[in-house]
Amino acid sequence: ETGVTQTPRHLVMGMTNKKSLKCEQHLGHNAMYWYKQSAKKPLELMFVYSLEERVENNSVPSRFSPECPNSSHLFLHLHTLQPEDSALYLCASSQGGRRGGYTFGSGTRLTVV
Amino acid sequence: DQQVKQNSPSLSVQEGRISILNCDYTNSMFDYFLWYKKYPAEGPTFLISISSIKDKNEDGRFTVFLNKSAKHLSLHIVPSQPGDSAVYFCAAGVNTGGFKTIFGAGTRLFVKA
Repeated sequence: ETGVTQTPRHLVMGMTNKKSLKCEQHLGHNAMYWYKQSAKKPLELMFVYSLEERVENNSVPSRFSPECPNSSHLFLHLHTLQPEDSALYLCASSQGGRRGGYTFGSGTRLTVV
Repeated sequence: DQQVKQNSPSLSVQEGRISILNCDYTNSMFDYFLWYKKYPAEGPTFLISISSIKDKNEDGRFTVFLNKSAKHLSLHIVPSQPGDSAVYFCAAGVNTGGFKTIFGAGTRLFVKA
């Protein structure tokens, strides 16, 4: 148990579907993140929430919509995705500054068909 | 433009020998650097970090070296063990620059028994 739990672990969806990824952290951290990992590319920061307020939005297409209802939960709502959105989506959390590193979840492997 | 670069996609080392993973960065404002380790089907886990005011940080078998003039850091693992086989990500950020930590593309380490 890593302290950051992501569900589902795997997701296959059509381009017209709507689905949501869920992340939950049990560490009492005050910041949560969504990262995208595509094959042979760096992890790309998508969104950051601190104290439930979105503080970073890295020019992510509007077909990705984050939601942070409280400090322990983070969602990524997906609609009308493209095949190139297929990737590993990682959730992370941290307490305050970044020097101590993030705690990552195991990720959701998303395939868009 | 990648601000954090890991130019070696993979590295193979014999058990017991030293593993050296390299990372270059372009942003001279970065003031903290981290290494993460990732096993298949798991999220990255924080390994070791270094502040820009230091040039070396050691934790057991892992040592990170920072050369600010060359904008280069490296992770040394000695002695290498088969369980160290994983993908290693270099990351960097500016502590007062919001919540952005920039990751490299990763280096896959194989430690042969």
